[in-house]
Amino acid sequence: NAGVMQNPRHLVRRRGQEARLRCSPMKGHSHVYWYRQLPEEGLKFMVYLQKENIIDESGMPKERFSAEFPKEGPSILRIQQVVRGDSAAYFCASSDNRNTEAFFGQGTRLTVV
Amino acid sequence: DQQVKQNSPSLSVQEGRISILNCDYTNSMFDYFLWYKKYPAEGPTFLISISSIKDKNEDGRFTVFLNKSAKHLSLHIVPSQPGDSAVYFCAATVRGSEKLVFGKGTKLTVNP
Repeated sequence: NAGVMQNPRHLVRRRGQEARLRCSPMKGHSHVYWYRQLPEEGLKFMVYLQKENIIDESGMPKERFSAEFPKEGPSILRIQQVVRGDSAAYFCASSDNRNTEAFFGQGTRLTVV
Repeated sequence: DQQVKQNSPSLSVQEGRISILNCDYTNSMFDYFLWYKKYPAEGPTFLISISSIKDKNEDGRFTVFLNKSAKHLSLHIVPSQPGDSAVYFCAATVRGSEKLVFGKGTKLTVNP
């Protein structure tokens, strides 16, 4: 029973490139959450998705960031035209409904050079 | 505006003794609180939670206490073991909102 799978684990991008982070939730989970952790900070909520729907994106920067969770396949967090300040660890979590604890993946560490 | 605060960046205790990690919050709407444990290069792992209708929840060596009037919660680990060495995050939420608000974490080191 695989846990939440994120890939890649590490991603290096030059300024101005695009970054795509993938998250496969646990089997049977239809709720996905993305969090970002900047150095020396706690995790900050970005977006909550259910299959094909964005439920809450109040933590997502208004520009350059987008997320999707298609009917088939993993959830994708997309960052366009990356800047140095986007360097962080991005964690995905999943749950099977709104009122159960979410399980986190191992994270993707994005470094923008 | 830090709604969940963990004021101690680090804590060091001796194996076998009690570890007490503290967390304060400012938003009185929070009604569910969680503790996560995180090892380097891994994702957070859920440890224990407490609803605002309770003031204590216990699971093995881990106990969480909630003082609503003080907007304070604490995690007690007893006895502490070297394998408990990790960063501990306190998180809070309003049930139904789906957003967890995390503190900055406390790095616990348990010395053999």
